[in-house]
Amino acid sequence: NAGVTQTPKFQVLKTGQSMTLQCAQDMNHNSMYWYRQDPGMGLRLIYYSASEGTTDKGEVPNGYNVSRLNKREFSLRLESAAPSQTSVYFCASRSVAGRGGYGYTFGSGTRLTVV
Amino acid sequence: QKEVEQDPGPLSVPEGAIVSLNCTYSNSAFQYFMWYRQYSRKGPELLMYTYSSGNKEDGRFTAQVDKSSKYISLFIRDSQPSDSATYLCAMSASNNNDMRFGAGTRLTVKP
Repeated sequence: NAGVTQTPKFQVLKTGQSMTLQCAQDMNHNSMYWYRQDPGMGLRLIYYSASEGTTDKGEVPNGYNVSRLNKREFSLRLESAAPSQTSVYFCASRSVAGRGGYGYTFGSGTRLTVV
Repeated sequence: QKEVEQDPGPLSVPEGAIVSLNCTYSNSAFQYFMWYRQYSRKGPELLMYTYSSGNKEDGRFTAQVDKSSKYISLFIRDSQPSDSATYLCAMSASNNNDMRFGAGTRLTVKP
């Protein structure tokens, strides 16, 4: 049982380049999320998808787009990367039952550097 | 002022010590409170979940929520070197799609 899988794990982009971060979960969760983590800032929500076919902005959506491809997959796209988007990106999905209560299951992250 | 405040540490304790980690928050609508543990270069993993006020215990871990003071705590008893990680508090109101995280406290437990 893989949980939440993110690809790639590392990426270096030049300013202005585009890329898509991929995320897939195999837990049959309805909700999926994209966060960025910066030193001293904690995790900040970029976009989320409460269910297949819906997406909504989070706290810091500017410069990003998302696609909920199906129930399993939720991708994050940077159309024109900027140095301010250098961060660690985490995808998560939501558990609503069992020991985890309403907690999230996170992937292992994508470390993105924009030069 | 951040919505969720958490002392970043770092916090260093000897093995076997009791560790106290804390967060304060400003949004009185928060009802769901969580603690996550994040090892270096890994994603956060859910450690404890509490709804509304009160205490919850799970093995060596105890989570406390005091909504009147807008203050939550995580206690770790008999701390082990394997507990060395960054601990993130997180909370949300009834709509759990907008969870707010603290910046994390980095903990080192020395053998």
